[in-house]
Amino acid sequence: QQQVKQSPQSLIVQKGGISIINCAYENTAFDYFPWYQQFPGKGPALLIAIRPDVSEKKEGRFTISFNKSAKQFSLHIMDSQPGDSATYFCAARGYSSASKIIFGSGTRLSIRP
Amino acid sequence: DAEITQSPRHKITETGRQVTLACHQTWNHNNMFWYRQDLGHGLRLIHYSYGVQDTNKGEVSDGYSVSRSNTEDLPLTLESAASSQTSVYFCASSEPQDRKQFFGPGTRLTVL
Repeated sequence: QQQVKQSPQSLIVQKGGISIINCAYENTAFDYFPWYQQFPGKGPALLIAIRPDVSEKKEGRFTISFNKSAKQFSLHIMDSQPGDSATYFCAARGYSSASKIIFGSGTRLSIRP
Repeated sequence: DAEITQSPRHKITETGRQVTLACHQTWNHNNMFWYRQDLGHGLRLIHYSYGVQDTNKGEVSDGYSVSRSNTEDLPLTLESAASSQTSVYFCASSEPQDRKQFFGPGTRLTVL
């Protein structure tokens, strides 16, 4: 019930295309859903996050779509660029300040020029 | 600028040896975390601390220990290194009321 399932494991997208990464969760106590971006040799960094009271959040070319009833959320990268090539992790966390972040298994995204 | 640093960045050790990985943050955050990253498993929580003298076990704590004697540091110790502990280790910190975690650059540990 604590798992966050992420797919696909790897993804190749042409420059200018849309990259889509999907995640699913079981625990209905989760109320914060961040996405982290990790470049090779670096630590993960927060990219964008959403609360379950909204169905979509957009920041520049990055959009989170959230489906509370299906317990699924996804990251969409519009007009994908080679600089977006990185590993992306979805995650989930409960409301309490003592709650821990549960990470998905990661998606390695490659944008072909 | 505040930051979180890890040392060493790379470490090669032998099976059975004790290894300590350092994590130092200047954010003055109460919460600190240790994760390991392995292909196909994402980031798995090893140990975490919500303040000085507080430590808690995470999902994969067997064979690891931590101690928190001050706010800035949370060293991770492998008591007797095993080949299964070959991994990339990340330290992170956050404020209790802030859900954003700040990650260090990682330590790549190889156990031969």
